[in-house]
Amino acid sequence: GAVVSQHPSRVICKSGTSVKIECRSLDFQATTMFWYRQFPKQSLMLMATSNEGSKATYEQGVEKDKFLINHASLTLSTLTVTSAHPEDSSFYICSANEGWGTEAFFGQGTRLTVV
Amino acid sequence: GESVGLHLPTLSVQEGDNSIINCAYSNSASDYFIWYKQESGKGPQFIIDIRSNMDKRQGQRVTVLLNKTVKHLSLQIAATQPGDSAVYFCAEIPYMDSNYQLIWGAGTKLIIKP
Repeated sequence: GAVVSQHPSRVICKSGTSVKIECRSLDFQATTMFWYRQFPKQSLMLMATSNEGSKATYEQGVEKDKFLINHASLTLSTLTVTSAHPEDSSFYICSANEGWGTEAFFGQGTRLTVV
Repeated sequence: GESVGLHLPTLSVQEGDNSIINCAYSNSASDYFIWYKQESGKGPQFIIDIRSNMDKRQGQRVTVLLNKTVKHLSLQIAATQPGDSAVYFCAEIPYMDSNYQLIWGAGTKLIIKP
């Protein structure tokens, strides 16, 4: 199947700094990518839908200025957590589809710890 | 709002037995359903999918059943193995969602007893 690569897999940062997470579709073009946040023992919570060449669509309650999403090409979307605080510590996951009606492929996830 | 699978149960199964994981959904307009497996510290992995015009679909050691009358989805895993230990999520896609946005269930943790 298609591969989605997410990097880094783990990151520890100081409170107040920014962290960028990359999501790449390695062998297909992804018009749409999704960013999720997952708390321990909970389901995935959609944060935003990222469309290539346009602004991301954020879910209600997700701060767009805090979670900056850039989808500059058909194979790369980035999520930047700005001015990170300990409460931003979480598992962040991206996914991408080749097209409508196809399965979503997920990245490996990024464990963010803000200290 | 509409949701899928509000519960997060834990299912313990003896190795070698069959596992049945259930999921209830509430969006009658959903067209496409997927089961994902998520191992600790990893992203979800596609297991099997089914469209609303089907009742059953089989894969390798897995079977998905869809009962639209009661809005119920189940995943059956035959001859459960230690490697099947994970959290299993059902997800649905509303009919003709242009972004193919998944609506996630709460998940079920499957524990395999030796």
